[in-house]
Amino acid sequence: RKEVEQDPGPFNVPEGATVAFNCTYSNSASQSFFWYRQDCRKEPKLLMSVYSSGNEDGRFTAQLNRASQYISLLIRDSKLSDSATYLCVVNPPGSGYSTLTFGKGTMLLVSP
Amino acid sequence: DAGVTQSPTHLIKTRGQHVTLRCSPISGHKSVSWYQQVLGQGPQFIFQYYEKEERGRGNFPDRFSARQFPNYSSELNVNALLLGDSALYLCASTGGRATDTQYFGPGTRLTVL
Repeated sequence: RKEVEQDPGPFNVPEGATVAFNCTYSNSASQSFFWYRQDCRKEPKLLMSVYSSGNEDGRFTAQLNRASQYISLLIRDSKLSDSATYLCVVNPPGSGYSTLTFGKGTMLLVSP
Repeated sequence: DAGVTQSPTHLIKTRGQHVTLRCSPISGHKSVSWYQQVLGQGPQFIFQYYEKEERGRGNFPDRFSARQFPNYSSELNVNALLLGDSALYLCASTGGRATDTQYFGPGTRLTVL
């Protein structure tokens, strides 16, 4: 089983739609969880951290289910500018420092 | 404040050559990490340095090496380049704590012919 697995997509949605991505991780002792966004040929940028209690930032909601070892990202009212690849990211256990394990990413295409 | 900077932006090399990539972290950040992103994949961790010491190493061959300088900038060196080394090489900087957010630079796109 891969450390972090995501559906590569692409997810094609119209503007205004709600779309959800899931991600699973293999190591149950993983410490920290994130969603990064990566535009074509650009560097990844932190979208949001994922907390056990769930967290929301505007149109974006992230959830963590430790028992099932999955992380989700919900985007409401999709905008054209949301088109990007969304990377699920886990900070593995055992390290006293921050190294990140990335999924392959899920591509989102929002159309007019 | 300037973000993470990397140089060069693009690089073309041939098999067997070596390459040196450079990274300057955000001012005040003491930790630098290197990642390799092959087309269609997520970034893969190569190294992390903190206060000039190697803190972590990913599953990469010994052809890959790195170092960090007293001003916290860093170099990634790759020897005996292979076609499969063609990738986007990303540098990320943090304050050094496990909970710190990693901020990525724009990357160096390496093409090996």
